[in-house]
Amino acid sequence: QPVLTQSSSASASLGSSVKLTCTLSSGHRTFIIAWHQQQPGKAPRYLMSLEQSGNYNRGSGVPDRFSGSSSGADRYLTISNLQSEDEADYYCETWDTYIQVFGGGTKLTVL
Amino acid sequence: EVQLLESGGALVQSGGSLRLSCVASGFIFHDCAMSWVRQAPGKGLEWVATSSHSGASTFYADSVKGRFTISKDNSQDTLHLQMNSLRAEDAAIYYCAKDLNRSWRIIDYWGQGTLVNVSS
Repeated sequence: QPVLTQSSSASASLGSSVKLTCTLSSGHRTFIIAWHQQQPGKAPRYLMSLEQSGNYNRGSGVPDRFSGSSSGADRYLTISNLQSEDEADYYCETWDTYIQVFGGGTKLTVL
Repeated sequence: EVQLLESGGALVQSGGSLRLSCVASGFIFHDCAMSWVRQAPGKGLEWVATSSHSGASTFYADSVKGRFTISKDNSQDTLHLQMNSLRAEDAAIYYCAKDLNRSWRIIDYWGQGTLVNVSS
């Protein structure tokens, strides 16, 4: 089954950009993933789907400051012009025939 | 507008049972696979179970297999999770979630969650 690996934390300054990484396990590098954002005390929110090709589709109402890209087994979420409300946990997700899988999440701090 | 409204969370004794429900609106429920995802206090997201769009196929995490049952009532646009033999480690916020489509089983909408507490 696929395993998704994320760094536990990241930080960046207000107004800058940050790139978060989700790495697919060996044998699963072609898999499509989703990125989700969870602000403190809130339910998760779907941000986008992201393919191996780098093609991504943002969810309804997601600002275009959020973009995706891919390289090999790595799937990236880039947030531009960081805002204070972007301080949150970010999770990647994928699936296989009988399961769905989440990465461990990255806690983003906006300085 | 897609809405997912969970209910049924409660404090229950270890070994007890609980049934969660999720009423859906704003999309064609019978066309969509649906999932339950949980989050223990201070922890990450953990997938629990998925029902196919028709309800004919169901999938479970190993941690709940044999104890939890997911069901989908397409006549009532409602998703259920029957939880039996509850353990302390089942305590979490349980989120109802809609899968993007029949082919891409990633989540594109989340409910607000319902809290399950298990006392020993």
